[in-house]
Amino acid sequence: KNEVEQSPQNLTAQEGEFITINCSYSVGISALHWLQQHPGGGIVSLFMLSSGKKKHGRLIATINIQEKHSSLHITASHPRDSAVYICAVRRGNDMRFGAGTRLTVKP
Amino acid sequence: DVKVTQSSRYLVKRTGEKVFLECVQDMDHENMFWYRQDPGLGLRLIYFSYDVKMKEKGDIPEGYSVSREKKERFSLILESASTNQTSMYLCASSPASRGGFQEQYFGPGTRLTVT
Repeated sequence: KNEVEQSPQNLTAQEGEFITINCSYSVGISALHWLQQHPGGGIVSLFMLSSGKKKHGRLIATINIQEKHSSLHITASHPRDSAVYICAVRRGNDMRFGAGTRLTVKP
Repeated sequence: DVKVTQSSRYLVKRTGEKVFLECVQDMDHENMFWYRQDPGLGLRLIYFSYDVKMKEKGDIPEGYSVSREKKERFSLILESASTNQTSMYLCASSPASRGGFQEQYFGPGTRLTVT
């Protein structure tokens, strides 16, 4: 079993919908990252968090350390949000990655 | 802006060939990483380096070696490419940990096909 599990694996939404992507992990961590990978491969960091909630524009990330769970929310989704979203957890110098959630937002 | 560049976006090699993938970062980061990404498996760490001439094995080092002769450059070497090394290869860099969190900055990736 992967130490970092994401759900769903694939998600299709209509423009404007509220999106939630979930990440569960089974190990103690020092931080959790949400990454975005667009077609073509490049990965950018969206959030790095260790507690609570962070917001950047239409993106919101939350983490519950006790439950070992994090969610990434996208409000008012747009076709340009179509990408693979990756959850990664940090333990010291070690990072473990989820398999990613492929999001497609249709106009 | 941190910039991490990789020498090729797409590469096609034959089985048995020696393959070099180069990664360069321009932010004086101490740490550099090589990952491979395969569908359904996520990113897996091959090797990382925390200083010049220093290297550590990651989760899947078999069939790979690395070289870090200069701080800004980290090379991944496939000594004898095999078809099961067909994958997307991603390089990343980060500053050294100073008791806090360090964020990794990724390159654009190299899609390697071994035929």
